[in-house]
Amino acid sequence: KAGVTQTPRYLIKTRGQQVTLSCSPISGHRSVSWYQQTPGQGLQFLFEYFSETQRNKGNFPGRFSGRQFSNSRSEMNVSTLELGDSALYLCASSEGLAGVTDTQYFGPGTRLTVL
Amino acid sequence: QKEVEQDPGPLSVPEGAIVSLNCTYSNSAFQYFMWYRQYSRKGPELLMYTYSSGNKEDGRFTAQVDKSSKYISLFIRDSQPSDSATYLCAIPGGDYKLSFGAGTTVTVRA
Repeated sequence: KAGVTQTPRYLIKTRGQQVTLSCSPISGHRSVSWYQQTPGQGLQFLFEYFSETQRNKGNFPGRFSGRQFSNSRSEMNVSTLELGDSALYLCASSEGLAGVTDTQYFGPGTRLTVL
Repeated sequence: QKEVEQDPGPLSVPEGAIVSLNCTYSNSAFQYFMWYRQYSRKGPELLMYTYSSGNKEDGRFTAQVDKSSKYISLFIRDSQPSDSATYLCAIPGGDYKLSFGAGTTVTVRA
């Protein structure tokens, strides 16, 4: 099976712009989670989508949003970009809701740089 | 206080050495404990997980949990240059959110 794919791999934006990142989960996986990884804060949970519904949300402002399509593909949107949004954004998929019994498989990430 | 604390290192060891990685956590209700490995320019991959207290071995890797101290460890025996990566501990909370440690970057010198 193909792994989790994320596009684009690298992105450069300026402050105030918005950005949309895309994630294609492993075939058959219904859950997609998004994480932000920075040197200072580490890996932080953004949100999880399962069967097109947001099931869980981390402590991020409303500028961060997402959605999941009927084919389980997911997009994440960040509006009004700030310098602090520069990070590696990782997507992970699992068969069921992420947790112990359903292993999460991570994509390679999208490296976002905000200038 | 973060739910999971991990010394970010970095850690540099000679080939063949034992690597010892540790995390502490704050919520005594946590039951499952995971270790992920992340190579440069890649996403994390699940290395091992353990339940409750005790040890779990998988080849050269041993995961250890001490619930009384809220302390988890990962040991890598006979370390190889291919073990050079960032290791993250992760703990799923009751709400299914995974809390990750900061990650420890390990370099194994040939």
